[in-house]
Amino acid sequence: QQQVKQSPQSLIVQKGGISIINCAYENTAFDYFPWYQQFPGKGPALLIAIRPDVSEKKEGRFTISFNKSAKQFSLHIMDSQPGDSATYFCAASWGAQKLVFGQGTRLTINP
Amino acid sequence: EAGVVQSPRYKIIEKKQPVAFWCNPISGHNTLYWYRQNLGQGPELLIRYENEEAVDDSQLPKDRFSAERLKGVDSTLKIQPAELGDSAVYLCASSRAGVPNEKLFFGSGTQLSVL
Repeated sequence: QQQVKQSPQSLIVQKGGISIINCAYENTAFDYFPWYQQFPGKGPALLIAIRPDVSEKKEGRFTISFNKSAKQFSLHIMDSQPGDSATYFCAASWGAQKLVFGQGTRLTINP
Repeated sequence: EAGVVQSPRYKIIEKKQPVAFWCNPISGHNTLYWYRQNLGQGPELLIRYENEEAVDDSQLPKDRFSAERLKGVDSTLKIQPAELGDSAVYLCASSRAGVPNEKLFFGSGTQLSVL
């Protein structure tokens, strides 16, 4: 119940295309859903986060879509650029409980 | 603002040897976390500190792992003795006081190889 399942494991998108990464969870107590971006040799960096009281949050080219009834949320990267090539992790937490991470998606943007 | 600083960046040791990792969080961040990231996996929490107090250490293998944050600022994570399965990246993160587990800032990690 503490798991967050992420898909796909890897994704290749052409420059200018839309990258979509999906996550699913079971624990309905989760109330905070962030996405982290990690480049090789670096720690994860917070990209964008959402709470379940909204269905969508947009920051620049990055959008989180949240479906509470389906217990799913996704990251959309519009106009994907080669600099977006990284590993992306979804995560979830509630209250003071630990942040649980998905297994990651390695995104490659081809120029 | 300086980020989370970790050292060393890399460590190679023989199994059964001890090893220690050091972390200095962002100034003013009361909450400090140690995570372990296995190759190709997401980070997993080992321990969370609120100031000097370890408030969540349920995932820390206490038979061989220990951690301290004596003055509520920097922290050390120790493994003694190390096992082959401990090879991973050990990440330190910090966040402001308030709601834990939100807006974490991670260091670049220490990559541990146990031979």
